[in-house]
Amino acid sequence: GAGVSQSPSNKVTEKGKDVELRCDPISGHTALYWYRQSLGQGLEFLIYFQGNSAPDKSGLPSDRFSAERTGGSVSTLTIQRTQQEDSAVYLCASSLAGGSANIQYFGAGTRLSVL
Amino acid sequence: QKEVEQNSGPLSVPEGAIASLNCTYSDRGSQSFFWYRQYSGKSPELIMFIYSNGDKEDGRFTAQLNKASQYVSLLIRDSQPSDSATYLCAVNMGQLTFGSGTQLTVLP
Repeated sequence: GAGVSQSPSNKVTEKGKDVELRCDPISGHTALYWYRQSLGQGLEFLIYFQGNSAPDKSGLPSDRFSAERTGGSVSTLTIQRTQQEDSAVYLCASSLAGGSANIQYFGAGTRLSVL
Repeated sequence: QKEVEQNSGPLSVPEGAIASLNCTYSDRGSQSFFWYRQYSGKSPELIMFIYSNGDKEDGRFTAQLNKASQYVSLLIRDSQPSDSATYLCAVNMGQLTFGSGTQLTVLP
């Protein structure tokens, strides 16, 4: 696709429910990143994929958070037993390759609200 | 702990003035530096990146890096109201680490 696509754009859920957020990166981009942005804050790194592997999961805040990537393309971020503090915008980015010099392009994000 | 620090602002400048945005970072070994612009409710978009010491200019934007001082800045010349946004500094420290952003308002 022309850009990074995320769905849904908005998700409202009840505390304790599970949610799945989807990211479709730019075609040909091997690296994919998930970030979380709380209101008025910067971006918090969650996880990085190179292909289907996740060499860096260091940012996942708890074991309720998991992510996978299949076919070197689409990625899903799953949050189990959601809590109110999970409310944030979840942003996905992709880059041509991993590594420090590669520019990341962001999707429009999924705004998650946990009631 | 690896950190990127920015003044949160808000920073207000009159239209046509130079806006100066600053960022410090903790990892002396960082090699690449990025400035993203984020309009309210939108995703970040890249406006400048630099990989080495010195200045880089692109239109009205100039990025300046001082590795010895671990300091990077973004200058916006001839500021326009459409430049009003939050500017995020990002430094590659293994992963891209973002500052909390500086909110810029350009007053007509």
